Amino acid sequence: GAGVSQSPSNKVTEKGKDVELRCDPISGHTALYWYRQSLGQGLEFLIYFQGNSAPDKSGLPSDRFSAERTGGSVSTLTIQRTQQEDSAVYLCASSLPVFRAHSYNEQFFGPGTRLTVL
Amino acid sequence: AQSVAQPEDQVNVAEGNPLTVKCTYSVSGNPYLFWYVQYPNRGLQFLLKYITGDNLVKGSYGFEAEFNKSQTSFHLKKPSALVSDSALYFCAVRDIDTDKLIFGTGTRLQVFP
Repeated sequence: GAGVSQSPSNKVTEKGKDVELRCDPISGHTALYWYRQSLGQGLEFLIYFQGNSAPDKSGLPSDRFSAERTGGSVSTLTIQRTQQEDSAVYLCASSLPVFRAHSYNEQFFGPGTRLTVL
Repeated sequence: AQSVAQPEDQVNVAEGNPLTVKCTYSVSGNPYLFWYVQYPNRGLQFLLKYITGDNLVKGSYGFEAEFNKSQTSFHLKKPSALVSDSALYFCAVRDIDTDKLIFGTGTRLQVFP
């Protein structure tokens, strides 16, 4: 089936505006992750959804960042009052859940959304 | 805290020569280790993983990696490089308390014809 899709592929916004980034995971994948890739930086974890459990928000850099996952499928990452330092590629990934020890399902990544804050 | 290090920002190799992209890790307990590749303007693609079992792991596109517990390393290798292998390579380790991946800073591989 289709892989992880993200929209938009590119987003240019002005400082102070809000933006929404969308992720459609692979069907049947109950785990969904958001990462950020900044120029010259590695990949930074932002937030993790697993089924109906409370999301792990430990990677969100500030309270301007939030994410939700509706119906256990599509996820939206919202950045309020964008700043220039928010400019980055935002990557979404999904995976099957882990059911047992010594098992781990690899994450499949979408193509990313390149956000530019002017 | 878990972490991985990729000591080389860039690796240059001639086509047909063997290549190695280095990764070392720091974890408590048994590591779950991964390699991903990112081609220009594309998302990350999974290459291979080590969970348990044989120390030599074979993955996509002819790549393999060797888990070395004594040296805490998980270097990516390929016997004969192709120009099309030129990309950004990321090593990652699973955070044992959550399921998130902790990535290295990436190594840019440049294969010259």
